Formats: sequence, structure tokens, C-alpha cells
Amino acid sequence: ETGVTQSPTHLIKTRGQQVTLRCSSQSGHNTVSWYQQALGQGPQFIFQYYREEENGRGNFPPRFSGLQFPNYSSELNVNALELDDSALYLCASSSSHQGNTQYFGPGTRLTVL
Amino acid sequence: GNSVTQMEGPVTLSEEAFLTINCTYTATGYPSLFWYVQYPGEGLQLLLKATKADDKGSNKGFEATYRKETTSFHLEKGSVQVSDSAVYFCALSERDSNYQLIWGAGTKLIIKP
Repeated sequence: ETGVTQSPTHLIKTRGQQVTLRCSSQSGHNTVSWYQQALGQGPQFIFQYYREEENGRGNFPPRFSGLQFPNYSSELNVNALELDDSALYLCASSSSHQGNTQYFGPGTRLTVL
Repeated sequence: GNSVTQMEGPVTLSEEAFLTINCTYTATGYPSLFWYVQYPGEGLQLLLKATKADDKGSNKGFEATYRKETTSFHLEKGSVQVSDSAVYFCALSERDSNYQLIWGAGTKLIIKP
């Protein structure tokens, strides 16, 4: 059984640029959630996708957007990058048929210069 | 709203010592409770969970019991090892919020040989 994978591992961007992060969910999981974790802090919920639709959103501006594909993989897009967007971005997958426990990928470390 | 409070770190112990990391929660309904662990430079790993009152989650020698009367989910281990050094996060989720994870701030655990 393949776990949650994310790409890329690391990314460096400059302020104002746009970035796309990718996540492949664990086999059999139909829900993907994205979190932002700043250095030394706990994760903050960005949004969740279920069956290709946004199913909940945290306190993040609209320049944070996402997609979920028919195979349940997902993308997180961030436009107009700001220095404070530098963080570890974590993707988690879960299944409505398996108790909704979330399993995390290794994360993408984004640095905005 | 829902929230999770955990003891501040860092917690520094000697190898083979007994570990307790306190976690209390506030929730409007009947949450599921989780402990996740994050090793340096890595993503989050599910350590254990409990889905209803009086359930005990356990894994790798760690245990936590869901105490509804005290709204607590304290993490314990009888004999810690250097390899247990990591950051530990307590979290909850509820159906009414689409199982979005609400996180504690994390507790850094340092085990000295």
C-alpha cells in the first residue's frame, strides 16, 4: 500500500511568484487536506477536498487555491507569494469509509525570498 | 470553538524515564483524539488515536486514554529512548467540522542518553 506522497520536496521562490504543490493520496482515500506549518509552530488548516470539491477552508486568503482530481490526487496553488508563505506544506489523505483518520505526506518545504 | 491545549516544552528526560505529556481539549460535540509525532525535518506521523470516551490508544509503547470527564488525552510512555526525541502534537477532529484537525502547539521532547 502506497502512502501519501508530495512533490517537490523543497522549493525556492521569490516574492510575487506563483507556486503549485502536488499530493498523491494514499490508496483508497477520497479526501485530501492541506496544512501550512511555519517553523516551530503547529499546522494550520488551509482547506480540504472531497470528491473534487472544496469541503472546508481555514483562515487563508483566496490566493491559496486548490484542486482535487478524479484519482483523488490534489494540488495546492499559491499566487502572489509573500515572505510569510515560507513554511512546510503538508498534505494529508483520509477516507470517509475508514474513520476519517488523516495520514500525512512528508511535506514540501517552501522558501520565499 | 474547539481547541487543544498541550503542555509547553521542551521536555527533557533521561533515557528510560517515564513520560507524560498533558493534553486537554474543548469541543462542542464528540471528537476523535489523536497524537501525531514529527521527527526533525520530517512530516507528521500518526502515533495513536481514540474515537470515544474511555478508549485507550496505544502504539510503540505510547498510550493515551480518552477521558471525557476531564476532557483530557495525556500521552504516556513507561521508558523513553533517545529515538523518541521529536515534537509531539495532540489534535482533535469532529464530524461537524468535516473532520478538520484542530492542533495543539506541540511539545518538543528531548531524551538524553
